[in-house]
Amino acid sequence: LAKTTQPISMDSYEGQEVNITCSHNNIATNDYITWYQQFPSQGPRFIIQGYKTKVTNEVASLFIPADRKSSTLSLPRVSLSDTAVYYCLVGGADSWGKLQFGAGTQVVVTP
Amino acid sequence: DAGVTQSPTHLIKTRGQHVTLRCSPISGHKSVSWYQQVLGQGPQFIFQYYEKEERGRGNFPDRFSARQFPNYSSELNVNALLLGDSALYLCASSTNSQGRYEQYFGPGTRLTVT
Repeated sequence: LAKTTQPISMDSYEGQEVNITCSHNNIATNDYITWYQQFPSQGPRFIIQGYKTKVTNEVASLFIPADRKSSTLSLPRVSLSDTAVYYCLVGGADSWGKLQFGAGTQVVVTP
Repeated sequence: DAGVTQSPTHLIKTRGQHVTLRCSPISGHKSVSWYQQVLGQGPQFIFQYYEKEERGRGNFPDRFSARQFPNYSSELNVNALLLGDSALYLCASSTNSQGRYEQYFGPGTRLTVT
């Protein structure tokens, strides 16, 4: 499974856009990029998944360059409730049900 | 629809004891995975069960075991508890939808070993 590197923490103010970049230099051809969000004492929650280019849903956008060696999760206009740990995961069919989490990025949003 | 449920919510055990944690997946989900999350770290994969068969095992000692029942619920058993087993134990369920690897996590069971 490809290893990922992401910042340990990021601070932001309410209403700003938060961009978290994840490096995955050894990503395999069949691997997808998935992001999860976790609040304290809760299980992680799926945010978004992509393979290439750009994916957008009601919560976030995921930007993936052509070489796929990195990806950026973009959270538009964050609020206090977006304070959480965000995990970047890379894997394909062989990782289904066997997610390999790193340490994640602690995002703190302040008024 | 109900999400993934886990029981108990909290548990306190003494070193050397045995513990059983339970998980009920989302209706229709045939895969259940177990994770251990130590404070300050990301979840670590323990087991995956699909259709009542073990499909994967993480780097955990044989003290950890699990099983899946015909209704797809699952149990995680840990024998000879150590202080280091204190953690949040997460259960996640998913459907066999290759190409989309979304897992739905339960709220977890907080295990404290004293």
